[in-house]
Amino acid sequence: AQSVTQLGSHVSVSEGALVLLRCNYSSSVPPYLFWYVQYPNQGLQLLLKYTSAATLVKGINGFEAEFKKSETSFHLTKPSAHMSDAAEYFCAVSDRYSTLTFGKGTMLLVSP
Amino acid sequence: NAGVTQTPKFRVLKTGQSMTLLCAQDMNHEYMYWYRQDPGMGLRLIHYSVGEGTTAKGEVPDGYNVSRLKKQNFLLGLESAAPSQTSVYFCASRFKAGQGPYEQYFGPGTRLTVT
Repeated sequence: AQSVTQLGSHVSVSEGALVLLRCNYSSSVPPYLFWYVQYPNQGLQLLLKYTSAATLVKGINGFEAEFKKSETSFHLTKPSAHMSDAAEYFCAVSDRYSTLTFGKGTMLLVSP
Repeated sequence: NAGVTQTPKFRVLKTGQSMTLLCAQDMNHEYMYWYRQDPGMGLRLIHYSVGEGTTAKGEVPDGYNVSRLKKQNFLLGLESAAPSQTSVYFCASRFKAGQGPYEQYFGPGTRLTVT
């Protein structure tokens, strides 16, 4: 069975500060990992994905994530937060054939 | 391309009423999914389909039924709505393994309130 743990239901940063959202996963097979973003009253939009190619993955809006097998982690980072980054972020895991398992989400709050 | 669309966007039901949510995709995706989203719970899979005419249960299937009569459509039914089914429902779709990217594409959601 697969599972995802996102540490921190809420993360607050100042505009211009580093963003770090944590995700740890559990999977019995080589995983595929995803970060999705959800803006208020909208659906989920893919930020980036890891599918067994490069371990450092770059996504949209300046976000990136690093797959660390030894730590079973896939943390999301952005060097400098912008007000428009305020949203809820979901980490998810799957294998090649199965369904996605989501974490409970982390709400990112950005203050001026 | 419209991507993944959901009908309706909002709905209020009384306990015991029934309704059907429609999901449509125009990306020729083989796999389709229904999730519910509740505060602090993330997204939980209700049912999914890996092809026309096939369906399977997800994590929280009780109280829901689904049908996939056409490849592009995936219907979610509530036969007798309960207040515990108040939620935001999302449909998603993706390519079959080996036929395209593995990420799921999401619809805009349906906000359902059961009183």
